[in-house]
Amino acid sequence: DADVTQTPRNRITKTGKRIMLECSQTKGHDRMYWYRQDPGLGLQLIYYSFDVKDINKGEISDGYSVSRQAQAKFSLSLESAIPNQTALYFCATSSGGGLSFDTQYFGPGTRLTVL
Amino acid sequence: QKEVEQDPGPLSVPEGAIVSLNCTYSNSAFQYFMWYRQYSRKGPELLMYTYSSGNKEDGRFTAQVDKSSKYISLFIRDSQPSDSATYLCAMRTMDSSYKLIFGSGTRLLVRP
Repeated sequence: DADVTQTPRNRITKTGKRIMLECSQTKGHDRMYWYRQDPGLGLQLIYYSFDVKDINKGEISDGYSVSRQAQAKFSLSLESAIPNQTALYFCATSSGGGLSFDTQYFGPGTRLTVL
Repeated sequence: QKEVEQDPGPLSVPEGAIVSLNCTYSNSAFQYFMWYRQYSRKGPELLMYTYSSGNKEDGRFTAQVDKSSKYISLFIRDSQPSDSATYLCAMRTMDSSYKLIFGSGTRLLVRP
């Protein structure tokens, strides 16, 4: 089974709708992240969480909110979706590294289309 | 201006060719340099990383960092069709392990 799972894998919705993307991990990592990927722009950090009670905004958090329900679960919400939020969304996890390199492990992504 | 620039390609090469993928950056505080590989409809996967300047080799892959020129490279020797993917460079400073700055990715196609 995959270590980092995302649901749904594909979603088409309409402008103004509320959407939730979910991420679960079995790696036992404390840190979780949400990114979006747009053609020509690479990945941009939306939110990140170092543990259940520590949630922080990334570069492009406007229009998004998150919830860390448990160590293993991190959800991303679009309160009122707009067309320019059409993108690929990735969840990632990492252990925090300590003395070693903090590798981020990515889920398979959710393709979101807002009409 | 983007902090990290990467040619989007696509780059098409015959099987067995040596591939060179590159990124330039503007932030001299970057200390960790990563290469991620992303297959179609999959998430990025860390291929290798380098700390500060120098080279690092892993099988057919070699990563190079030239901090004086703010330029990093990934070389793939004896390229295979299975290497066809998008390659993303990413960088971060010493203190911000969570904050990766990604290039836009280069799409590579290795023709059989």
